Amino acid sequence: GAVVSQHPSWVICKSGTSVKIECRSLDFQATTMFWYRQFPKQSLMLMATSNEGSKATYEQGVEKDKFLINHASLTLSTLTVTSAHPEDSSFYICSALYRSRDTYEQYFGPGTRLTVT
Amino acid sequence: AQSVTQLGSHVSVSEGALVLLRCNYSSSVPPYLFWYVQYPNQGLQLLLKYTTGATLVKGINGFEAEFKKSETSFHLTKPSAHMSDAAEYFCATSFGYKLSFGAGTTVTVRA
Repeated sequence: GAVVSQHPSWVICKSGTSVKIECRSLDFQATTMFWYRQFPKQSLMLMATSNEGSKATYEQGVEKDKFLINHASLTLSTLTVTSAHPEDSSFYICSALYRSRDTYEQYFGPGTRLTVT
Repeated sequence: AQSVTQLGSHVSVSEGALVLLRCNYSSSVPPYLFWYVQYPNQGLQLLLKYTTGATLVKGINGFEAEFKKSETSFHLTKPSAHMSDAAEYFCATSFGYKLSFGAGTTVTVRA
């Protein structure tokens, strides 16, 4: 199957700083990527849809100025958590949409654990 | 709007026993349905999916699921549990390219 990587796998930052998380599709091009957030023992919550060459589409209740998404190439999307606070601590997972003529599927990255102190 | 409900947040089975995870969907149109597995501190891996056609879907690692329109269900089964099946399992449905996940079911396997 297709491979999606995330970097870093975990990060600890101080309150008030910004953190950038990268999501890469390693063996296919993805015009669309997704960013999810997962709290402990909970399900995944879709934060935003990242579209190559255009603005991201954010889900209701997600602050676009706090969670900056850039999809500058067909294989890379980045999520920047700006002015992070302890309540932003979470597990962030990206996925890349693989599309062929007959089907499509989201391939997920391994996730990034963010801890804000 | 499409959504899924997973019945049972935690399932405990003995090694070798049947694994049954329940998922019901609500949708006004024929849904696409998925089962994913998540191991601790990892992303999600697709086990199987139903789009159209055959209602019994076979996936990886010996799992299968049956789409039952009359019951609006898409339950996941595995005849014989293995210790390596201990993980979190998510049922999901799609709307466009987006996925909507159920709350998840934690599976523990007893030796």
